[in-house]
Amino acid sequence: GIQVEQSPPDLILQEGANSTLRCNFSDSVNNLQWFHQNPWGQLINLFYIPSGTKQNGRLSATTVATERYSLLYISSSQTTDSGVYFCAVRMNSGGYQKVTFGIGTKLQVIP
Amino acid sequence: GAVVSQHPSRVICKSGTSVKIECRSLDFQATTMFWYRQFPKKSLMLMATSNEGSKATYEQGVEKDKFLINHASLTLSTLTVTSAHPEDSSFYICSARTLGAGGVRETQYFGPGTRLLVL
Repeated sequence: GIQVEQSPPDLILQEGANSTLRCNFSDSVNNLQWFHQNPWGQLINLFYIPSGTKQNGRLSATTVATERYSLLYISSSQTTDSGVYFCAVRMNSGGYQKVTFGIGTKLQVIP
Repeated sequence: GAVVSQHPSRVICKSGTSVKIECRSLDFQATTMFWYRQFPKKSLMLMATSNEGSKATYEQGVEKDKFLINHASLTLSTLTVTSAHPEDSSFYICSARTLGAGGVRETQYFGPGTRLLVL
């Protein structure tokens, strides 16, 4: 079946540090999204990025579709960046399009 | 920024009853709404996608007769969990999306979620 693997599962950063989160997927994708869920459960869509590179402030993402991975870069991390980062891919599966989420990377930014 | 509300935020119900969750886009019109489910300490699952005025498209493995979705207007979608059982207990999250100029996909805005506990 479709596999989406995220790494690392957990990450602790000192405020101001940079980090890279990775999402590997098992097949070619129609779409890929990165989400952030804060400690209170609120989700935010960060990027739609089936391929290429996008930047939004301190965050940027790159998807290399041919090599089946995506990276989320967080620069100058802040305590408000804490939470869980999910990637989700939409793929063709058995004649259907299916969205599969990774299990997330839990990030804690400490002051 | 755009706001999406969900009601109720928490609900406890008895097994066998039905529960309706409302999702509203408060300051924009949502051409597409999504419903997600999140199990405790686990990842998310997209349940269905609905466009205003048409039937929802359910993800593979999601029972459409169990989870009834209605997207009656551009600002309201409802998810009804019918004949709820303890295994339906979960965190249900909706999101709403608009289309920008030229049909370009706008970003999704998420509701704060609804915690359902079925006893």
